[in-house]
Amino acid sequence: GAGVSQTPSNKVTEKGKYVELRCDPISGHTALYWYRQSLGQGPEFLIYFQGTGAADDSGLPNDRFFAVRPEGSVSTLKIQRTERGDSAVYLCASSSTGTGYNEQFFGPGTRLTVL
Amino acid sequence: QQPVQSPQAVILREGEDAVINCSSSKALYSVHWYRQKHGEAPVFLMILLKGGEQKGHEKISASFNEKKQQSSLYLTASQLSYSGTYFCGTEFQADYKLSFGAGTTVTVRA
Repeated sequence: GAGVSQTPSNKVTEKGKYVELRCDPISGHTALYWYRQSLGQGPEFLIYFQGTGAADDSGLPNDRFFAVRPEGSVSTLKIQRTERGDSAVYLCASSSTGTGYNEQFFGPGTRLTVL
Repeated sequence: QQPVQSPQAVILREGEDAVINCSSSKALYSVHWYRQKHGEAPVFLMILLKGGEQKGHEKISASFNEKKQQSSLYLTASQLSYSGTYFCGTEFQADYKLSFGAGTTVTVRA
C-alpha cells in the first residue's frame, strides 16, 4: 500500500517568506507527527495529532510555526516569517494507535532551505 | 531529554557483528529503532516495550534493560544493506512522542 507522502520534496525560500509543507499519511492512521531533522542529527519532535486535534504541540519552537489537520487525514505545517535557522528536513510520520504499539512510519521529508 | 547513543560510528566487514547502545537518564516506556540511509526516510526496525513485549523485523534483534534504561540493537552477520545511520527513539510514557538520539553510522564493507 501507499506510504506517507510529503510535498514538496524540496522548498527554497527567502528569509521572511511564508511556507506550507504538506503531509499525506498512510490511509487509516489516526496519529500524525511532524519532526525536524538537521544535518547529522536525529529527528526532533515538533507536534503530534490524534485525529483532527493537536494532542501535543510542545516541540514547536515558537509561534511562527503552526500545523493543522482539519479532516483528520492530510496535515499542513505552516511556517511564517522564515529564518535561516529554519533550514532543515521536515519529516512527517503516521501510526495506527489501535495496536498498542506505536510504530511510526516516516515520509521522505521536505528539505527546506531558507536563503 | 535526548537519549545517548554509542558508538557514534562503526565500520564492519560483511559477516561481522556489531552492537549499538541507547541510554536514557529517565525511565522509559518504550524504545524504537530506525535505520536511515542517506537522503531517505527513517525506516522502522523494532519497538521494545516496558514489560518485555517487542515487535520488529525477524533478522534484527534488540534488548531492553529496564533497570539500566538502556537498549541495545544487535547487527548479526552484517550485510552490505545494513549500512546506514541507526537511530533510537525513546518514549517516556505512552504519549507517542519520541525523542531521538544523534545516531550511529554503520558502514559495512565487502
